Amino acid sequence: GAGVSQTPSNKVTEKGKYVELRCDPISGHTALYWYRQSLGQGPEFLIYFQGTGAADDSGLPNDRFFAVRPEGSVSTLKIQRTERGDSAVYLCASSPIPTGELFFGEGSRLTVL
Amino acid sequence: AQSVSQHNHHVILSEAASLELGCNYSYGGTVNLFWYVQYPGQHLQLLLKYFSGDPLVKGIKGFEAEFIKSKFSFNLRKPSVQWSDTAEYFCAVQPAGNNRKLIWGLGTSLAVNP
Repeated sequence: GAGVSQTPSNKVTEKGKYVELRCDPISGHTALYWYRQSLGQGPEFLIYFQGTGAADDSGLPNDRFFAVRPEGSVSTLKIQRTERGDSAVYLCASSPIPTGELFFGEGSRLTVL
Repeated sequence: AQSVSQHNHHVILSEAASLELGCNYSYGGTVNLFWYVQYPGQHLQLLLKYFSGDPLVKGIKGFEAEFIKSKFSFNLRKPSVQWSDTAEYFCAVQPAGNNRKLIWGLGTSLAVNP
């Protein structure tokens, strides 16, 4: 597709469950970012990939969060043992080069009951 | 800690009114500066950016922003707003040399009444 695609658009899960969120970036974009946005807040950086490797994962809040990008294209954000505080919109963005000029997907809204 | 402050959380204007949204940041070094916009039901998209050069930058849809280094500010302006400008506006700062993180403001919700 022409833009960044994120699935699912909405995910409702129960506390303690495992969740995977997928991001399909714009073709050819080598840089991929995950952000998290809570209501009334700006996006919060989670992790940045350059190619297949996580160049900076300093924003991941704890070891329940993990992300992969095995072939340098699609990325999956994985959350184990979800907690109610994980509820947010998870945003994926890509960029042809690693600058602040990002192309965002529409986000995956996660609700943990 | 580095931070970005957007002074107005909610702004309501009538069509044709002028707009100025404030953005200040706390970082002593060189920065790249951005304004992003999120229209209702849509994804975040870049409105304009400043890397270097002329501190007055022009973006899409008639928006402009001025970088004032001495004031650590990057305010967004538009001379005459339209109903279609109703959206959430985010200021973001990237310390130069950091090609990863953007530091975001909390956003300003703009409602333009027809």
